[in-house]
Amino acid sequence: DMQMTQSPSSLSASVGDRITITCRASQSISNYLTWYQQKPGKSPKLLIYAASSLQSGVPSRFGGSGSGTDFTLTISSLQPEDFATYFCQQSYNTPLTFGGGTKVEIK
Amino acid sequence: QVQLQESGPGLVKPSQTLSLTCTVSGGYISNGGYYWTWIRQHAGKGLEWIGYIYYRGTTYYNPSLKSRVTISVDTSKNLFSLRLTSVTAADTAVYYCAKSRGQANVMDAWGQGTSVTVSS
Repeated sequence: DMQMTQSPSSLSASVGDRITITCRASQSISNYLTWYQQKPGKSPKLLIYAASSLQSGVPSRFGGSGSGTDFTLTISSLQPEDFATYFCQQSYNTPLTFGGGTKVEIK
Repeated sequence: QVQLQESGPGLVKPSQTLSLTCTVSGGYISNGGYYWTWIRQHAGKGLEWIGYIYYRGTTYYNPSLKSRVTISVDTSKNLFSLRLTSVTAADTAVYYCAKSRGQANVMDAWGQGTSVTVSS
């Protein structure tokens, strides 16, 4: 199975901060990389697909980049509603696999 | 927009079969173009893809669960279902259904999730 490794597993940040989350695939996945946001007790929400395409309705402060094995999710100016857990997911091959998640907490 | 809703028992005894249904509203499974997906999440853990089905019945399963999983679709009722046999405590999780689009299987709509506990 394709291993997806996210880092850090958690981070503390303040409103207005710029944060970056990294996702690394165990082998090249081209741009078959998706980012989701999950809040406690809720289902995941699609943020970014094809590594860098913003899902309709998602604020432009969210951005994705990368290809091959290394990807990043950036939030340019953290807002109170952005405190959540973020997961990456590869769909280059089956089984589809997810990263372990990055929990973004308030500093 | 498409909405999904999981339903099924919240408690299943060990060795029995877990059966869940995902009812789709706001769109028709038979319209095609999407994969209808099951994912689960163990408490405090990451997400695990279980498998998906295309409206014509083609299925893809996670090899780790393949021997125990069946996903089926009922286009007349606009729903799809998950069966997981011979469950153990390790199958205790929140189960989500989702709609996946495109070749990249982007999950752009999710149900709210249903918690299933395996216990006697």
